[in-house]
Amino acid sequence: DAGVIQSPRHEVTEMGQEVTLRCKPISGHNSLFWYRQTMMRGLELLIYFNNNVPIDDSGMPEDRFSAKMPNASFSTLKIQPSEPRDSAVYFCASSLDSVATNEQFFGPGTRLTVL
Amino acid sequence: SQKIEQNSEALNIQEGKTATLTCNYTNYSPAYLQWYRQDPGRGPVFLLLIRENEKEKRKERLKVTFDTTLKQSLFHITASQPADSATYLCALLNTNAGKSTFGDGTTLTVKP
Repeated sequence: DAGVIQSPRHEVTEMGQEVTLRCKPISGHNSLFWYRQTMMRGLELLIYFNNNVPIDDSGMPEDRFSAKMPNASFSTLKIQPSEPRDSAVYFCASSLDSVATNEQFFGPGTRLTVL
Repeated sequence: SQKIEQNSEALNIQEGKTATLTCNYTNYSPAYLQWYRQDPGRGPVFLLLIRENEKEKRKERLKVTFDTTLKQSLFHITASQPADSATYLCALLNTNAGKSTFGDGTTLTVKP
C-alpha cells in the first residue's frame, strides 16, 4: 500500500484565495483525521471522520475552514478565504478502528504558505 | 479539555546512553497513551501504545511506562544511536471520543 497520500505537497497562495487540500487514506481504513501543525501551537486536530461521517469538528478554527469526505477513499480540506495565519503544515491521517493500537498513519503533509 | 505537556523541547545525549522523555497530562479521561516519532519534513510515525492498566511496554530498545496516579508516561530509548535523533510526540487517546490529543514534542539529538 502506498500509505496516506496528500496533495499538493506545497502550496503558496495569496491572502483571500481559496485553498483546497486533498487526502487519500489507506484502503480499508475507516477513520480519517485532519491536523494542522505549527511551531506555536504544535499538532492540532481539526476534524475527524468515521465511516465518511464527520464526528468531531470542534478543532476547525472558523467558518473559513470546511472539510468533506464524499467517499471512503477521498477527503478535502478547504480554506476560503485564506489568511496569512493559516500558514502551517496540514496533515491527513487514517486509522482502522478494529486495530488494538489505534495507530494513526500520517501522510507526508501539505505545507501551506499564505502571503 | 485534556492537556498534555512534554517536559522539555530539546534533549541532547551522547550515543550509547539512555534517553528519557517525559509526558504529563491533566483532565484524565479513559484513555490509552501513544508515542510517535516525527522526522523533519515528514508526518508522525506510530511507535508504541500503552493502556491505562499496563505499567510498562517494551519494543526492541524502546520502553514506555504509564503511571495513572502521577498522570505521567516515561519513554526510554536505550543504547541510543544518532539515527534515533528526531522529535518524539506523546498522544493521549480518548477512546470515548475516538480522538487523540498530542503534546508539543521533545526533540532528541543523539551525538556520536
